[in-house]
Amino acid sequence: QVQLQQWGAGLLKPSETLSLICTVYGGPFSGYSWRWIRQPPGKGLEWVGEINQIGRTNYNPSLKSRVTVSIDTSKMQFSLKVSSVTAADTAVYYCARGPGTTWFFDLWGRGTLVTVSS
Amino acid sequence: QSDLTQPASVSGSPGQSITISCTGTSSDVGSYNHVSWYQQHPGNAPKLMIYDVSNRPSGVSNRFSGSKSGNTASLTISGLQAEDEADYYCSSYTRSSTYVFGTGTKVTVL
Repeated sequence: QVQLQQWGAGLLKPSETLSLICTVYGGPFSGYSWRWIRQPPGKGLEWVGEINQIGRTNYNPSLKSRVTVSIDTSKMQFSLKVSSVTAADTAVYYCARGPGTTWFFDLWGRGTLVTVSS
Repeated sequence: QSDLTQPASVSGSPGQSITISCTGTSSDVGSYNHVSWYQQHPGNAPKLMIYDVSNRPSGVSNRFSGSKSGNTASLTISGLQAEDEADYYCSSYTRSSTYVFGTGTKVTVL
């Protein structure tokens, strides 16, 4: 059974860099797009960004200047970095998979709560 | 980009059918048949229920169905069951090559 396992620091101070990693277990890595979505406490979902199977990235315009998504195919991992975080970046961050050239998220990680507080 | 508009809450009795609407614009919902729906129980990650407007992934009950007309997509849950009580979100691909989610709907089974 394919699973996405994610981890990273859960508590950051303002201006620090958020860094999360998601590893794919039990299934293929190639042929998919890899995505990040976040959900502030008690609020809705927000797409953060993605990287496709040929390494092309795409980001939410509201976050684009601070976000980097990258992949390490040899480790079957993809990562998210968000620089200069503020309290507004406090959220549960989910990694997710998109099959091939598709426009939905068919498999999700369990989520990582990242809190930004001084 | 603005969130897609969903009703904040929808309720129904067991066995009834309910429909959740998802209204966007001609730049997202109205442009493509790339609307998907997600179910989220408290404390859990979202789960894909419908993709490309009306397709069900393997393992999802056929009580869930999707449709679209113009800039509005809809999710219908028939034969409502207690386990269907959850938050539901729609999502659409946009002309800007980004994704936008709906505001979310809390479904309550009375």
